[in-house]
Amino acid sequence: DQQVKQNSPSLSVQEGRISILNCDYTNSMFDYFLWYKKYPAEGPTFLISISSIKDKNEDGRFTVFLNKSAKHLSLHIVPSQPGDSAVYFCAPMDSSYKLIFGSGTRLLVRP
Amino acid sequence: NAGVMQNPRHLVRRRGQEARLRCSPMKGHSHVYWYRQLPEEGLKFMVYLQKENIIDESGMPKERFSAEFPKEGPSILRIQQVVRGDSAAYFCASSNPLSGTLYNEQFFGPGTRLTVL
Repeated sequence: DQQVKQNSPSLSVQEGRISILNCDYTNSMFDYFLWYKKYPAEGPTFLISISSIKDKNEDGRFTVFLNKSAKHLSLHIVPSQPGDSAVYFCAPMDSSYKLIFGSGTRLLVRP
Repeated sequence: NAGVMQNPRHLVRRRGQEARLRCSPMKGHSHVYWYRQLPEEGLKFMVYLQKENIIDESGMPKERFSAEFPKEGPSILRIQQVVRGDSAAYFCASSNPLSGTLYNEQFFGPGTRLTVL
């Protein structure tokens, strides 16, 4: 029972171009959606979030879009930098503050 | 200002032994969460604790696993009689519900990598 799906296990992008990471979910009751970035042998670090009452949130090079009717969100990184190479997890939060993680997308930004 | 600390970072156990994983939350944080990550998968919620209180243990296996967060000291995730399938990375996160963010932001530790031989 996968409530959160990140269907692209990996993504390779040229430095300076846009990276788009996608996430689909099934539970319409999620109120907050968070993106975490994870490097090997480290814990996830919070990147950006969006509330269900918004459709867009921007923070520097990172923008998250939420389409509630489609139960879909996406993370845009522009311009992409080699230091952005990591695994990105989409993680909606349920009503009891549990994070429900997707399986992650491994982003590689080529110099 | 130290972040979330976990120890040990790596733990090797033989089948049937016990594993104890420790988590010290960030200063001022009173809530702790444990997540498990199997290879090539996302993190899966296990348990959510306050000091001396389990708030949600819906993700904990029914047998062999237990967690506590005592009044003093770190939170402990205990796995009894480990099996090979317990091999995973175990992450702890902490939060301060009074921090002002609406979504109770969780800060993660570096994880403990458990290997069962």
